[in-house]
Amino acid sequence: AQKITQTQPGMFVQEKEAVTLDCTYDTSDPSYGLFWYKQPSSGEMIFLIYQGSYDQQNATEGRYSLNFQKARKSANLVISASQLGDSAMYFCAPRGGTYKYIFGTGTRLKVLA
Amino acid sequence: DTGVSQDPRHKITKRGQNVTFRCDPISEHNRLYWYRQTLGQGPEFLTYFQNEAQLEKSRLLSDRFSAERPKGSFSTLEIQRTEQGDSAMYLCASRLTAQRSDRYMSDNEQFFGPGTRLTVL
Repeated sequence: AQKITQTQPGMFVQEKEAVTLDCTYDTSDPSYGLFWYKQPSSGEMIFLIYQGSYDQQNATEGRYSLNFQKARKSANLVISASQLGDSAMYFCAPRGGTYKYIFGTGTRLKVLA
Repeated sequence: DTGVSQDPRHKITKRGQNVTFRCDPISEHNRLYWYRQTLGQGPEFLTYFQNEAQLEKSRLLSDRFSAERPKGSFSTLEIQRTEQGDSAMYLCASRLTAQRSDRYMSDNEQFFGPGTRLTVL
């Protein structure tokens, strides 16, 4: 079984500052990937970044980066230079068996002007 | 637009009625997933198809729910005798399986549609 924990139901960040969203996971699958998705108020799920369990380096994608600590089973998302458009729900999801996602409860991020 | 599409975007129905949602995946994608998202929660897996075969169903998928993907392209999700607890956003996602290692993002990423928001009165 897989379990995802996102302990921050809500976060505030000042525009142009960096913010870290926490995610811990529990999986017995030796080969897994971990995704972060953004969900704005419109409801669509937008892919942000992916970390493979075999990757030696932390994933980066533009302003998004992952602080991946495999031994601690955490994959925290770092958003640098926050923008107002970053205000949304953020979900961490490991790839489960058969490649379905197991989503956490999410973190609602609000960027303040 | 070649992304995943869902129809309708919004559906309001009365308790006890049947509803059907449609999902059109990205054309070459062979896997199609359905998720349900209730207010304040993350999406929960319902079922998935590999081409036309339904390979896995969640325990969330009660006998009032049925999903099909008859020709391996679009999929429908039907809810019979709707209940107020069925009110949620229903999300569809698709992906293309590959023979390469799971290490590569392009092998894993699911592309989501805009969702169908169901309200049962």
